Amino acid sequence: AQTVTQSQPEMSVQEAETVTLSCTYDTSESDYYLFWYKQPPSRQMILVIRQEAYKQQNATENRFSVNFQKAAKSFSLKISDSQLGDAAMYFCAYNTNAGKSTFGDGTTLTVKP
Amino acid sequence: DAEITQSPRHKITETGRQVTLACHQTWNHNNMFWYRQDLGHGLRLIHYSYGVQDTNKGEVSDGYSVSRSNTEDLPLTLESAASSQTSVYFCASSDPGGYGYTFGSGTRLTVV
Repeated sequence: AQTVTQSQPEMSVQEAETVTLSCTYDTSESDYYLFWYKQPPSRQMILVIRQEAYKQQNATENRFSVNFQKAAKSFSLKISDSQLGDAAMYFCAYNTNAGKSTFGDGTTLTVKP
Repeated sequence: DAEITQSPRHKITETGRQVTLACHQTWNHNNMFWYRQDLGHGLRLIHYSYGVQDTNKGEVSDGYSVSRSNTEDLPLTLESAASSQTSVYFCASSDPGGYGYTFGSGTRLTVV
């Protein structure tokens, strides 16, 4: 079974600084997809960024980017120019073409003004 | 605009009662999923469906059931609610092919 591990239960960052959240996964598949989701205090889960495993280029969405290391099975999220609105729990997730996702336990990000 | 809605947003029920949580999506997604979120456990998959009349068990399916009679709805039923089922429940939907999920806003269920 696939597993997703987020080793940092909590992280903090100063406003306008950069922070990196870590995620590792375990799979025997060669074709799969990785995601980061954000869950603010409102509880709503929001898709932040998506990476296709067969693409070597790292995905980027505005201030959010990933460092995808397929051989190491590592998928970290970098948030640049952190803003107060980035404070949330962040979940790393994995799925295959079949569609069901496996989630990590989450990292709570605090942004300090 | 397309959306995915869950109801109710909050519910308190008694041990042993049957409870049904609703999930309705207008994205026309074939895939629908139910997860529960507990502190320290992230999101764990309860049941999922890849289309009408298709349902599958996830990793924590004991005590839960689902049915899929149309594309839009995947209700989750707790047959006999237990205190261990106190949790936040999320419904999600997606297209097949490795696309991300669209989530509902969640239902906080308390079993007393």
